Amino acid sequence: QKEVEQDPGPLSVPEGAIVSLNCTYSNSAFQYFMWYRQYSRKGPELLMYTYSSGNKEDGRFTAQVDKSSKYISLFIRDSQPSDSATYLCAIDEEYGNKLVFGAGTILRVKS
Amino acid sequence: EAQVTQNPRYLITVTGKKLTVTCSQNMNHEYMSWYRQDPGLGLRQIYYSMNVEVTDKGDVPEGYKVSRKEKRNFPLILESPSPNQTSLYFCASSLGWGRSGANVLTFGAGSRLTVL
Repeated sequence: QKEVEQDPGPLSVPEGAIVSLNCTYSNSAFQYFMWYRQYSRKGPELLMYTYSSGNKEDGRFTAQVDKSSKYISLFIRDSQPSDSATYLCAIDEEYGNKLVFGAGTILRVKS
Repeated sequence: EAQVTQNPRYLITVTGKKLTVTCSQNMNHEYMSWYRQDPGLGLRQIYYSMNVEVTDKGDVPEGYKVSRKEKRNFPLILESPSPNQTSLYFCASSLGWGRSGANVLTFGAGSRLTVL
């Protein structure tokens, strides 16, 4: 079983839709939860950073962590064509030495 | 501009011909790491370095070597490349590890390697 599972998609939505991206994980020691966005032919860039459980909002983006279910989500409101990218969840332990990445979900927002 | 620079961006080589992918960061980061990205498998860590002269294996180290003689540089060496090392490689760095906020990785733009 992979440490982090993420549906690879692709996920295709119309402009303005609400997008929900999700990851599940198996290691209860994970404490740091991140979402990275990767445009084609670019390196991943940090989008959201959360420590432990709860919600975090930044503009149109909301990250949720449910540690009891080992489930993390990223919501994108009013999605735009510029949001078309691959979204990677990344998780770290309290005293780890690396980020564990999901496989990434390809998102396409159609105008 | 704060960045991680890796070269070459694209490389086609043949089996057995040694190659080095360079990586340099200008942020005075302690932690550096190499990942490879393959379809369906995501990003997998090859090697990482907590500081100068301190390196350790990641999840897929076979066939790779690294060194960290200076804080800013972390080259990835393929002594005898094989076709299964055809992949997209990313170098990344962070302030450090083991404390909140320090484990945010800044990635380079990637190096696409093809081994024939």
